[in-house]
Amino acid sequence: KQEVTQIPAALSVPEGENLVLNCSFTDSAIYNLQWFRQDPGKGLTSLLLIQSSQREQTSGRLNASLDKSSGRSTLYIAASQPGDSATYLCAVPLNAGGTSYGKLTFGQGTILTVHP
Amino acid sequence: NAGVMQNPRHLVRRRGQEARLRCSPMKGHSHVYWYRQLPEEGLKFMVYLQKENIIDESGMPKERFSAEFPKEGPSILRIQQVVRGDSAAYFCASSPFSGTGRTEAFFGQGTRLTVV
Repeated sequence: KQEVTQIPAALSVPEGENLVLNCSFTDSAIYNLQWFRQDPGKGLTSLLLIQSSQREQTSGRLNASLDKSSGRSTLYIAASQPGDSATYLCAVPLNAGGTSYGKLTFGQGTILTVHP
Repeated sequence: NAGVMQNPRHLVRRRGQEARLRCSPMKGHSHVYWYRQLPEEGLKFMVYLQKENIIDESGMPKERFSAEFPKEGPSILRIQQVVRGDSAAYFCASSPFSGTGRTEAFFGQGTRLTVV
């Protein structure tokens, strides 16, 4: 059974800091890993998708890395801003060997607060 | 191309009533997934549907919950005789196909169900 863990559970930083969010998963036979952002009372916004054959993906100030063998992914946020405050979730397909990749196992999330 | 559309955004039901949650997938997507997010808990997979077929309902409670995705129209998650414990945010995701696991899932804004 795939389990996803995110550390830290919460993070509060001053504006401008670079920060790293961690995600670990127990079954390394994954097709991909997705990072999402969830604002309070809102839906999920997909930030980055890393295929199993990739080691990292970048989008603007965000960079996500993937190390399948160790079962880890990190989300790096450069020059954090108050608008980055949200819950960040990582997710992997539920059935590592299956084809229903939309069935995702989510971590509990990291609640990020960036204060001015 | 509109995203995944869910309605209503907020739904209030009295105990014992029925709740119907609707999800229209992104254009061109034929696979739909429902998730539930209980207060202070992570997102949990409920059911995976394709047009006119339930593919995987391993995450659905055995009683009172049902889902469908008809040939025409949105996917419906139906909760009969709601109880207070059903209060949660229900999210729908869609994807174009479930082949190699190399395509991401897109989420709607969710329906927040409150049972009073």
